[in-house]
Amino acid sequence: QKEVEQNSGPLSVPEGAIASLNCTYSDRGSQSFFWYRQYSGKSPELIMFIYSNGDKEDGRFTAQLNKASQYVSLLIRDSQPSDSATYLCAVNNGNTGKLIFGQGTTLQVKP
Amino acid sequence: DTGVSQDPRHKITKRGQNVTFRCDPISEHNRLYWYRQTLGQGPEFLTYFQNEAQLEKSRLLSDRFSAERPKGSFSTLEIQRTEQGDSAMYLCASINRGLTPGELFFGEGSRLTVL
Repeated sequence: QKEVEQNSGPLSVPEGAIASLNCTYSDRGSQSFFWYRQYSGKSPELIMFIYSNGDKEDGRFTAQLNKASQYVSLLIRDSQPSDSATYLCAVNNGNTGKLIFGQGTTLQVKP
Repeated sequence: DTGVSQDPRHKITKRGQNVTFRCDPISEHNRLYWYRQTLGQGPEFLTYFQNEAQLEKSRLLSDRFSAERPKGSFSTLEIQRTEQGDSAMYLCASINRGLTPGELFFGEGSRLTVL
């Protein structure tokens, strides 16, 4: 079992729709959870992080965490073609900054 | 430019040759990480430094890989006797300990192709 699992996709949504990206993790000791966005040929960039159960909203993005189910999700509202990218889920079980990444989900937003 | 800088951006080498990559982190960042990413996969942790000390090294990292961070500034990642399986993007990232752990700032990467 992989430590962090994501559906590789592609996930295709029409412009203006809500995109829902999901991630599960195996280590119950994981403490913090991150969503990175990676455009093709570029390096990952941080979108959001979440520590506590529940929802965290930042603009069009909402991260959701359920530690009991070991599940993290990212919702993107009003999806735009510029949101088309690979979204990487990552977890951290300490304060070293070392992240374990999932394989990423490719999102395609069609105009 | 105040971002993380990596050099070279691309390297093509023949199997068996040695290669070295350099990373210059953001100047005030004391933690530096190396990751490897292959096509269709997420970044895979290789090693990390806090200042000049190498604090963790992935057990997946063979003895052919070595990393240094002299004086706690730039870092180098050397791969000896390269194999075709080493072909990947090598990503460097840095963070200041005072920031959110996991809020990594990545460089643009060094792409290695082993023929």
